[in-house]
Amino acid sequence: QQQVKQSPQSLIVQKGGISIINCAYENTAFDYFPWYQQFPGKGPALLIAIRPDVSEKKEGRFTISFNKSAKQFSLHIMDSQPGDSATYFCAARQRSNTGNQFYFGTGTSLTVIP
Amino acid sequence: SAVISQKPSRDICQRGTSLTIQCQVDSQVTMMFWYRQQPGQSLTLIATANQGSEATYESGFVIDKFPISRPNLTFSTLTVSNMSPEDSSIYLCSVATGFYEQYFGPGTRLTVT
Repeated sequence: QQQVKQSPQSLIVQKGGISIINCAYENTAFDYFPWYQQFPGKGPALLIAIRPDVSEKKEGRFTISFNKSAKQFSLHIMDSQPGDSATYFCAARQRSNTGNQFYFGTGTSLTVIP
Repeated sequence: SAVISQKPSRDICQRGTSLTIQCQVDSQVTMMFWYRQQPGQSLTLIATANQGSEATYESGFVIDKFPISRPNLTFSTLTVSNMSPEDSSIYLCSVATGFYEQYFGPGTRLTVT
């Protein structure tokens, strides 16, 4: 069972446009929601993250919007650039007796057209 | 943050052999994770390796096939044993630092022929 559901699977955006990737979850024990950016041949890199006590976090052109009641969160990339073309993964963390457990979405392949 | 290196970066191995992947972190961390990622797919957790305890394996992964060592707080190895073509994948080492953050290594691309 996929703990974190991510959409769309792929996304094509014109340069300068807004890219929006959505994720949804059911487990209310999740307490941390990061987004990762992965370029071909590289490991995922932590991009931005949010905790459920805030509704929005912005870092440069990247914004996370978080809706706790709907159990949804999304990544917005403003003024999208060709260099943003990558695969993006959302994730959610649950604490356990043995430590942290992270659950990943299925990924979104973003292509920004010049 | 944490800087993670993995060796080898890629390898081509024959069916039935074993490969040990090394993961080195530039700082001491308690929690290390090993993931598998099929090309174009999401990340699948293989096991969690905490220093001083046995690795905890996820459903579908067993210690005989993926033995893990965690001799200290900066190093871990994952061995892929008795390999078959189905083991061809990218293997990623990851660490959790502080309270929340998780960081990934560059990955090891394994091809089994």
